[in-house]
Amino acid sequence: SQQGEEDPQALSIQEGENATMNCSYKTSINNLQWYRQNSGRGLVHLILIRSNEREKHSGRLRVTLDTSKKSSSLLITASRAADTASYFCATDAVTGRRALTFGSGTRLQVQP
Amino acid sequence: EPEVTQTPSHQVTQMGQEVILRCVPISNHLYFYWYRQILGQKVEFLVSFYNNEISEKSEIFDDQFSVERPDGSNFTLKIRSTKLEDSAMYFCASSAGTGGKTGELFFGEGSRLTVL
Repeated sequence: SQQGEEDPQALSIQEGENATMNCSYKTSINNLQWYRQNSGRGLVHLILIRSNEREKHSGRLRVTLDTSKKSSSLLITASRAADTASYFCATDAVTGRRALTFGSGTRLQVQP
Repeated sequence: EPEVTQTPSHQVTQMGQEVILRCVPISNHLYFYWYRQILGQKVEFLVSFYNNEISEKSEIFDDQFSVERPDGSNFTLKIRSTKLEDSAMYFCASSAGTGGKTGELFFGEGSRLTVL
């Protein structure tokens, strides 16, 4: 299985609603990061949470990390149509591959 | 704001041809990466580069692939003899590197490679 798997694969919500995306991973990590990708564009870093942190906020973003369950969630509050994008988690493993390993992403559609 | 730039944005090539994708990382960054994304699929790691040498590569990065930092600014990915399955978006990324642990990556907009 792959390191960093998001669910759901796709999510469609109405503007103003909250969007929650989950990420599971398999090995011990130094940190976990979330990235956003607009269609056909490069990835943009959103937030990094370290293994000794449990929650982090940045604007309308809230990330949680549960290292005992090897899982993370990304919550986008009060979503906007402009939030429509794919969201990827990426893990920095303690052992094995040192480069960031990306999950398969969640495609978020926010309907105006 | 500093950014990673990639050229070309789109390249179409015939199977068996050589392709060079170019990247200009952020100037004070020390770590450089190539990732690829086949349409609609996950972002896959190819190779990382630090201190003028490959620091890590994936199983995708076989003998057909090579990377080079020919001068102080460019970072290139060469595919010697392209295959149909090399068709993908190739992303260059760079990072400042924080104490040896992977920090935030800054990505370019990608080079779309189409192999016919």
